[in-house]
Parts: sequence; C-alpha cells; structure tokens
Amino acid sequence: DARVTQTPRHKVTEMGQEVTMRCQPILGHNTVFWYRQTMMQGLELLAYFRNRAPLDDSGMPKDRFSAEMPDATLATLKIQPSEPRDSAVYFCASGLVLDRWGNEQFFGPGTRLTVL
Amino acid sequence: SQQGEEDPQALSIQEGENATMNCSYKTSINNLQWYRQNSGRGLVHLILIRSNEREKHSGRLRVTLDTSKKSSSLLITASRAADTASYFCATDPPDTGRRALTFGSGTRLQVQP
Repeated sequence: DARVTQTPRHKVTEMGQEVTMRCQPILGHNTVFWYRQTMMQGLELLAYFRNRAPLDDSGMPKDRFSAEMPDATLATLKIQPSEPRDSAVYFCASGLVLDRWGNEQFFGPGTRLTVL
Repeated sequence: SQQGEEDPQALSIQEGENATMNCSYKTSINNLQWYRQNSGRGLVHLILIRSNEREKHSGRLRVTLDTSKKSSSLLITASRAADTASYFCATDPPDTGRRALTFGSGTRLQVQP
C-alpha cells in the first residue's frame, strides 16, 4: 500500500529557529508538491517539482523558505528563521503525470507546525 | 489565490439523504478534481473529471462539469456518518508546465446519524 510519508508529524519550535520538514513521495511518481493549510488562507501551493526539478515556487516566501529534492525519494521544506505566522499544517503530495490530462495527487498526513 | 469556490461552506444533513456541493472557478481548466479531508488528516482524492467530460460516477459519487458556466457539482447519494468531512474542489490548469492544483475553500459536510 504505497503512501506519501512525512516527518515530523508535529513540530513545536520557537521563533527564529530553523525547521526542516521531510517527505518521501510514492516510488515512481514524477511530481511532488508542498502545500500549506491554514484556517484563514486554506490550501496554498508553496512549491512544485517535476522529475526533481523545481517548476514553481512562486507561492513560497523566498527570504525564509526553501524547498529541495536531493533525490527521488526525498523532498525537503526548510524554514529559516521561522516566525509565528508560519504556524500551519504543511502537506506534501506526489503524483504521476503521463499525459496532458493530468492525474490525482496523493497527500501525506501533514506536519503540524507551531511556532511560538 | 483560490481558483475554486465551493458552495455551501457548510452543510448538515441526516444519514441517508443526498448531499450536493457546488464549485465555481474562474479560468480555463484541464481537469477538475474533488478531494475529501477528514479532520486532522491529509486530503484523499475522490474523483477527476476532464474538461471534455460532462459527468462521471464513482460508487455513491456523481460529479458534473459545465465548462461554459465554469462550475462543477459533487453529489453524494445515501450519505453515511462516515462521509462527514470537508470536501474540496481543485482545478488543474491547462498545461503551461505548471501542473499544480488550485484548491477551493471547501465545504464542511456533517452527516447526522
């Protein structure tokens, strides 16, 4: 039963600290996405990778956020320095796009981040 | 910014009744997808409808798409308490190299046993 895994599931940190979230996409998928979910803003796309190359990170605050895929089995989202407004649930999703019609995305369980 | 907007924002029904949720969007799409999110969990894909399709079924789910009105509806028939969740529509833009979904704000469905 293939699943997207994310670590940690919960993270509480203090303002100014570095936070790293990790995601293992489903083996064989060629797209990886990072989303942030808050009550106020809903689900927002932060970054999108296709075949490990970053295609869109326009939704990500560049001064403090960075997203990478060091290899096909690992995607990371880093916040440095973290701020209280970064408190949210961060979801990773992966998918397999083969044709112009696109395909479903499989979501991980999320990382609930609280910045004090 | 959110492309899809669901209506209603919240819906409460009795078990056995049908639930209908609507989604409106603004720009052209490649496909439209519906996802379910249980409280505290990740999103789960329910159904994908392509821009050249008008209706699709999956079990107790029926999705319609009207590209002329830029709207879609999700019907859950014979609802169950386990259907209690938030439901999101997500639009997939035409392939400009940016194959990322844009999610609506969701409909919170409560099914009373």
